[in-house]
Amino acid sequence: DGGITQSPKYLFRKEGQNVTLSCEQNLNHDAMYWYRQDPGQGLRLIYYSQIVNDFQKGDIAEGYSVSREKKESFPLTVTSAQKNPTAFYLCASSTGTIAYEQYFGPGTRLTVT
Amino acid sequence: AQSVSQHNHHVILSEAASLELGCNYSYGGTVNLFWYVQYPGQHLQLLLKYFSGDPLVKGIKGFEAEFIKSKFSFNLRKPSVQWSDTAEYFCAVIPTTSGTYKYIFGTGTRLKVLA
Repeated sequence: DGGITQSPKYLFRKEGQNVTLSCEQNLNHDAMYWYRQDPGQGLRLIYYSQIVNDFQKGDIAEGYSVSREKKESFPLTVTSAQKNPTAFYLCASSTGTIAYEQYFGPGTRLTVT
Repeated sequence: AQSVSQHNHHVILSEAASLELGCNYSYGGTVNLFWYVQYPGQHLQLLLKYFSGDPLVKGIKGFEAEFIKSKFSFNLRKPSVQWSDTAEYFCAVIPTTSGTYKYIFGTGTRLKVLA
């Protein structure tokens, strides 16, 4: 089945630790995205990548980092510099043109204590 | 800054009631418009989209939306809701001259349909 996988579904970390969230797609999409979803705030874009080895900051990139070494993979690292990391993180992909929809993964709920 | 407003944060309806969820955006140029839905425990998925042409677009599961350019609005409608429509609904916009593929999402509307 084609789609986007995110792992793990739930993640718990202690404050001060970096943590990496996985996102893999087998849709052969060029573009990939990371969003953060908080209650009452909708989806906010963290980082996006339109092509391998290239990525751009979104609206709330501070405290996060990404890499795009392979077309199918776009991992997100939540660093200890992120002031409020507890959230639901969504990964998405698209064919890379404005006309096409984004396909979303199931999300990872990160809790930092 | 460009933004998308969804004024109804929580909506509760009985089955068979009509639904209209508001979406307004702040951008004076050409836009592409989307409604996404997130059913409980499921992935966010596309409900419908508008790029050009007929401003009344139909989506899945009996939903439709009307683009009114003069009002910067893209409201979602369904004549008769079902219990299975309980979900969170997000409006999203791409300003077509932005040069990027970045969606601007609204804050979402949680719909609860009572059986």
